[in-house]
Amino acid sequence: AQSVAQPEDQVNVAEGNPLTVKCTYSVSGNPYLFWYVQYPNRGLQFLLKYITGDNLVKGSYGFEAEFNKSQTSFHLKKPSALVSDSALYFCAVSPSDTSGTYKYIFGTGTRLKVLA
Amino acid sequence: NAGVMQNPRHLVRRRGQEARLRCSPMKGHSHVYWYRQLPEEGLKFMVYLQKENIIDESGMPKERFSAEFPKEGPSILRIQQVVRGDSAAYFCASSPITGQGELSYEQYFGPGTRLTVT
Repeated sequence: AQSVAQPEDQVNVAEGNPLTVKCTYSVSGNPYLFWYVQYPNRGLQFLLKYITGDNLVKGSYGFEAEFNKSQTSFHLKKPSALVSDSALYFCAVSPSDTSGTYKYIFGTGTRLKVLA
Repeated sequence: NAGVMQNPRHLVRRRGQEARLRCSPMKGHSHVYWYRQLPEEGLKFMVYLQKENIIDESGMPKERFSAEFPKEGPSILRIQQVVRGDSAAYFCASSPITGQGELSYEQYFGPGTRLTVT
C-alpha cells in the first residue's frame, strides 16, 4: 500500500536553531511531493513542492526541502527557526501514475514547537 | 482572486441528522477534492469530482456519504444520519487545468468545515 510516514509526532527546537521535519514515502513511480503547514483551526497553507529537477527546493517563509530518491525522503528544513513557525506540518505525496487524478496521500503530521 | 471557500466553517449536528458541507473552488477551477481529517490524524482522501462527474470516490465510506459538483454552484459533501465518528474537519481542495489542457497536480485548500456530532 502507498503511504507517507512522518516518524516524529513532535519536534522541539530552540529559536534561532536549524530545524528538520522528516518525511519518507512508499509510492510507486516518480511522485510529486509537497509540504503544507496548518495553524490551529485553520486550513492548510502550501509551503513548497518537488516535481522534478534540483533536489533542493525552496519555499515560503524561508523553508526548504531536500528530495532524496534513494532514501525516498523529503525532509523539511529551515536554517533558523522562529517562534512563529510553531504549527502542524504535513508532508503529502501525489503518485504520478494515478490515471489522471492527483489525490494526495498525507502523512500524520508533525507538531513543531519553537521555544523562545 | 478569492481562494477556495467552504461553509459553514463550523457545523454542529445531533446524531441521526444530515450534514451538508459546501465548497466553492477557486475561480476557473473545475476539479474538486474532498479530504477528511480526524482528530490528531492526517488528511485522508475521500472523493475527486469534476463538474457533474464523480471521478474517484475510492475514499468515501460506502454508506451515508455522497458528493456532487453540479454545473452551477458549489460542490456539496452530504452526510446522512451522522454518527459521533463523523466528527472531523472536512477540507476541500480545487485544481485548475494547465495551459496544456491537463489537470494540474497543485491543489489549493479551503479553510475546512469542522463538524461536531453530539
